[in-house]
Amino acid sequence: EAGVTQFPSHSVIEKGQTVTLRCDPISGHDNLYWYRRVMGKEIKFLLHFVKESKQDESGMPNNRFLAERTGGTYSTLKVQPAELEDSGVYFCASSALPTGIVGTDTQYFGPGTRLTVL
Amino acid sequence: QKEVEQNSGPLSVPEGAIASLNCTYSDRGSQSFFWYRQYSGKSPELIMSIYSNGDKEDGRFTAQLNKASQYVSLLIRDSQPSDSATYLCAVPLFGNEKLTFGTGTRLTIIP
Repeated sequence: EAGVTQFPSHSVIEKGQTVTLRCDPISGHDNLYWYRRVMGKEIKFLLHFVKESKQDESGMPNNRFLAERTGGTYSTLKVQPAELEDSGVYFCASSALPTGIVGTDTQYFGPGTRLTVL
Repeated sequence: QKEVEQNSGPLSVPEGAIASLNCTYSDRGSQSFFWYRQYSGKSPELIMSIYSNGDKEDGRFTAQLNKASQYVSLLIRDSQPSDSATYLCAVPLFGNEKLTFGTGTRLTIIP
């Protein structure tokens, strides 16, 4: 079974440009999460999709960030316009819908996209 | 006080010894607890999850949970150089599904 995949692995852009990150969750996983780790800090939650619906977007920093999950499969995270403080590693994670069975809430992480804004 | 707190280390342990990693969390009602291992430049990899008070063993890894003390730990027995990594404690807090992470403990196993 393929794991969570993310594209690109690295992106270097200039301040003011636009970048779009993509995440493909594990097949059949309806929960999809975006997290971010900026240098020296802990991994922090950005957004949670259940299928195509945004369940929780309380971690999104500001309106320069737009996440979509059309069709409930892969997700994109667009940053427009990018600022220096957006640099970091963006992780995507997925999990199955809770079934009441212990362990079904486990989140599996992708390799991340390292974003550098110059 | 951070919601999920770990000693950031670095923690150095001789090869073959037991490495002990600790984590405290702020929400007494939390039900699920996860330990992830992250090698430099790689994704967090789940190594242990625990849901009930007490110990849970999986190979060389043992997770220990004490909900009354709001404390979860990870023990690594017979430490190997390949165990050198950052270990992340993650907890869904306050009924949320999102994970709140600690800063991670950087572990180095000394050959």
